[in-house]
Amino acid sequence: NAGVTQTPKFHILKIGQSMTLQCTQDMNHNYMYWYRQDPGMGLKLIYYSVGAGITDKGEVPNGYNVSRSTTEDFPLRLELAAPSQTSVYFCATKGSGQYLNYGYTFGSGTRLTVV
Amino acid sequence: QQPVQSPQAVILREGEDAVINCSSSKALYSVHWYRQKHGEAPVFLMILLKGGEQKGHEKISASFNEKKQQSSLYLTASQLSYSGTYFCGTEKAAGNKLTFGGGTRVLVKP
Repeated sequence: NAGVTQTPKFHILKIGQSMTLQCTQDMNHNYMYWYRQDPGMGLKLIYYSVGAGITDKGEVPNGYNVSRSTTEDFPLRLELAAPSQTSVYFCATKGSGQYLNYGYTFGSGTRLTVV
Repeated sequence: QQPVQSPQAVILREGEDAVINCSSSKALYSVHWYRQKHGEAPVFLMILLKGGEQKGHEKISASFNEKKQQSSLYLTASQLSYSGTYFCGTEKAAGNKLTFGGGTRVLVKP
């Protein structure tokens, strides 16, 4: 049982390049989230999804895109990378129904540097 | 709107107690607490629901004052393993997204 798996763990991106951060889960959770965490700061929500085919913006969506074609996968796309996107990115999941009042399960994170 | 945590940092000796507060200006459905060790992902500790349901973790407990929209996390008889950054996350409705506070850094010394 892997839980929430994020790849890659580390990446260096050049300004203007694009990349996709992968997040996959094997817990059959409907709710999935992408947060970013800048050094010494809290977590800010980028995008979230309440189920396959449904996504919505969080508080800091500019420069990012997401898709949710399956329950398991929730990739985050960075277009035209900028130095301000240097951060640690966490994917998180939560169950629904009887598991609605449980906490989030986080992936181990992707540490991204844009140079 | 982001919840406000206080204090920003606390240093304890092993065995001492500490309280971390989390305040929101909005009516809340739940408050979550997470602990993050350096270089790792946040780990869920407990959730406090509107109506008073509570779950605990080790010697860490929490309360939720619905009238004040404030939650407090109590670290009792702290252990070295309690060191890390504690985040509260607030939820305005069931199934809604969490908004996290800025975190409280806790250092427990021998």
